[in-house]
Amino acid sequence: DAGVIQSPRHEVTEMGQEVTLRCKPISGHDYLFWYRQTMMRGLELLIYFNNNVPIDDSGMPEDRFSAKMPNASFSTLKIQPSEPRDSAVYFCASSFITGELFFGEGSRLTVL
Amino acid sequence: GQQVMQIPQYQHVQEGEDFTTYCNSSTTLSNIQWYKQRPGGHPVFLIQLVKSGEVKKQKRLTFQFGEAKKNSSLHITATQTTDVGTYFCAGPSRDDKIIFGKGTRLHILP
Repeated sequence: DAGVIQSPRHEVTEMGQEVTLRCKPISGHDYLFWYRQTMMRGLELLIYFNNNVPIDDSGMPEDRFSAKMPNASFSTLKIQPSEPRDSAVYFCASSFITGELFFGEGSRLTVL
Repeated sequence: GQQVMQIPQYQHVQEGEDFTTYCNSSTTLSNIQWYKQRPGGHPVFLIQLVKSGEVKKQKRLTFQFGEAKKNSSLHITATQTTDVGTYFCAGPSRDDKIIFGKGTRLHILP
């Protein structure tokens, strides 16, 4: 397996634009997590899915953020409209239940 | 809500010196995981501890899980430049959320 695949690796956009981040988890994993990493706040859990169903989205900063997992092999994290304070590295990770997390290489977002 | 605290936030050591990072949870954990993130990279799983008082070793790395399952430590003996990075502990909440500590950034002085 190729591991968790995220795209794009880098995104530079202007304030107000829509941003869509994509993730392909490892085949067979039950859980998918979206994290955001900044120097100030560390690794923050935004939302996670179990068998494609969102379980807890309490970490999503506000209504501008949304996430979907239409099937077991694909998830998106959307920010609309984006703001400069959304600049961060966004990681997707997948796992079996209570198992180790496998992280993707991350999507570095810069909002100007 | 559940919190996972790590200290220190930063550590500078001379190459060859030992290094320890500590992790404390506000609640009892069913298990604890440790990850390493190299500069510019992504977190990579190192180990998972499950049993109270458990000690595991990986070459120069020693991991401990406290008796009360609320704290853990990672000790590196005789650090090398390849040990540079940020070390995170992470624990599951009751609803399977994996909560990460803020990490300890290790810098090695040659």
